[in-house]
Amino acid sequence: DQQVKQNSPSLSVQEGRISILNCDYTNSMFDYFLWYKKYPAEGPTFLISISSIKDKNEDGRFTVFLNKSAKHLSLHIVPSQPGDSAVYFCAASGGLGMSHNAGKSTFGDGTTLTVKP
Amino acid sequence: GAVVSQHPSWVICKSGTSVKIECRSLDFQATTMFWYRQFPKQSLMLMATSNEGSKATYEQGVEKDKFLINHASLTLSTLTVTSAHPEDSSFYICSARGTDNSPLHFGNGTRLTVT
Repeated sequence: DQQVKQNSPSLSVQEGRISILNCDYTNSMFDYFLWYKKYPAEGPTFLISISSIKDKNEDGRFTVFLNKSAKHLSLHIVPSQPGDSAVYFCAASGGLGMSHNAGKSTFGDGTTLTVKP
Repeated sequence: GAVVSQHPSWVICKSGTSVKIECRSLDFQATTMFWYRQFPKQSLMLMATSNEGSKATYEQGVEKDKFLINHASLTLSTLTVTSAHPEDSSFYICSARGTDNSPLHFGNGTRLTVT
């Protein structure tokens, strides 16, 4: 049972437009969500996070929205730039309520974003 | 920002030999380190959680005798692939965090090829 799902394996957008990457989760114990960006042959790098007590977090061109009732989060990138082309992973983690998984993040399969000049 | 160094970045070894991969947190103390394996076009598959000074916790299906993990200090964890076989060829990535729920900081990965 995959607890974090990114249903779109790829997304292509034009430079300057908005990129929207989606992520769904099933475990209601998750209380912290993160987005990572990964270039080929490199490890992922942290991009932005959101706690379950919030529904929006913004950092420059990147905004993450959380809809707890729908167990859905999304990453908005605006305006998109060619350098944003990468694989984006959504991750979720639980707190002490998930004793076995405390501090451990569960990753989605990733969405490959291509921003065309 | 926090830096995690993973070494080597790539290694080729013969079947039956062992390979050690190091993961170091360079500017923070990592109470927890994680080891992942990534297959092409797939997500990061968590192999094990490594806590400093204690035994690693392995995910279901991961052979602890084959993938030996040692986390002897707050800045170093090692993954040893023992008696490597061609099917162990993969991209191995480590990550580290200082406190629960702080973002993970990843190494750049190790491309292992077993011939």
